[in-house]
Amino acid sequence: AQTVTQSQPEMSVQEAETVTLSCTYDTSESDYYLFWYKQPPSRQMILVIRQEAYKQQNATENRFSVNFQKAAKSFSLKISDSQLGDAAMYFCAYPTGAGSYQLTFGKGTKLSVIP
Amino acid sequence: DADVTQTPRNRITKTGKRIMLECSQTKGHDRMYWYRQDPGLGLRLIYYSFDVKDINKGEISDGYSVSRQAQAKFSLSLESAIPNQTALYFCATSDPRLAGGMKTRQYFGPGTRLTVT
Repeated sequence: AQTVTQSQPEMSVQEAETVTLSCTYDTSESDYYLFWYKQPPSRQMILVIRQEAYKQQNATENRFSVNFQKAAKSFSLKISDSQLGDAAMYFCAYPTGAGSYQLTFGKGTKLSVIP
Repeated sequence: DADVTQTPRNRITKTGKRIMLECSQTKGHDRMYWYRQDPGLGLRLIYYSFDVKDINKGEISDGYSVSRQAQAKFSLSLESAIPNQTALYFCATSDPRLAGGMKTRQYFGPGTRLTVT
């Protein structure tokens, strides 16, 4: 079975500091895509960043970046200069199923930002 | 994503009642999905549809049914609601015509909070 593991149910970070959320996955696919979604208290699912597995370069979106280790099947999210608005649940996900049309989600990490 | 809407946003119902959750999208995407979110469990796929005539069961379809009335509309029904179906329900869409990794990106509605008493 293909699975996604987020080993940190909860994390906290001081405002303006950096935090890394971890995610490991298990797939037999050779070409796939990985996603981090943010869910603030409004409960909307917001795409934060995506990584294409065949690209060596780690994706970056402003203060958000990933550390993608394909051989280790690891896909960590780093948030730099943390802001109060970053407080949310964060889910990693990758496509699974025939034709990779479905997303399998991790159980999430709840991030708190301390002023 | 404002292009994917869900109604109602919140609903309280009693055990045994039939309830329908509706999803509409203006994105023109062929693919639509229904997920359920429970605390500590992430999102799990209930049903998905690749077009109006192609509907498939997901990981946790028992107790649920769906209807794809049009490309833009995908409804989820609980035929006889039970308390353990209390959860947050999300509808999502994706567009396989997009290039590369974008075809697997999913766009989510705002969610429906369902409580079964």
